[in-house]
Amino acid sequence: DGGITQSPKYLFRKEGQNVTLSCEQNLNHDAMYWYRQDPGQGLRLIYYSQIVNDFQKGDIAEGYSVSREKKESFPLTVTSAQKNPTAFYLCASSKDRDYGYTFGSGTRLTVV
Amino acid sequence: QKEVEQNSGPLSVPEGAIASLNCTYSDRGSQSFFWYRQYSGKSPELIMFIYSNGDKEDGRFTAQLNKASQYVSLLIRDSQPSDSATYLCAVNSGNTPLVFGKGTRLSVIA
Repeated sequence: DGGITQSPKYLFRKEGQNVTLSCEQNLNHDAMYWYRQDPGQGLRLIYYSQIVNDFQKGDIAEGYSVSREKKESFPLTVTSAQKNPTAFYLCASSKDRDYGYTFGSGTRLTVV
Repeated sequence: QKEVEQNSGPLSVPEGAIASLNCTYSDRGSQSFFWYRQYSGKSPELIMFIYSNGDKEDGRFTAQLNKASQYVSLLIRDSQPSDSATYLCAVNSGNTPLVFGKGTRLSVIA
């Protein structure tokens, strides 16, 4: 079955560490997105990529970095510059904006 | 700044009633509209999309779009406790990512 896979499901980060969240899709979608969701809040866009080897900053890109070397993969690195990284991170992909997004199951990141 | 507004709720309805969820958007050029359901601790799942003015029905769900009023709604008929979730409205405004509202929390009381 086609889908979008995020790993790990839970991640703990120590102060000063960089951590990378994985996102892989086998839906043959061109576009991929990373969102952050805080308790009781909506989705805030971090980065997005509409094609391989190209990506754009979203509304809250500071302290995050991404790469898009393969169509299937769009990893997100949370750097030590992100001062408040504890949140639920969601990856999504889309064939076409008119079809909406398919979301992965999310990664819950906690700073310890 | 393109905005999508939803009442945060909670919206409480008795089991079997109709739940009405509303969403307004700021960009008059918006082209397509989506409703996602998100259970607590889970990721959003797409339940309805609508492109044209009027109603679109899928089972117990009906999406309604009024582009002149910049208003989109979701009706859930015969509400069930399993419908209790947060419902996110999302709007496509051209060659940019979808803009999401903050969601409305629905509680269906048995």
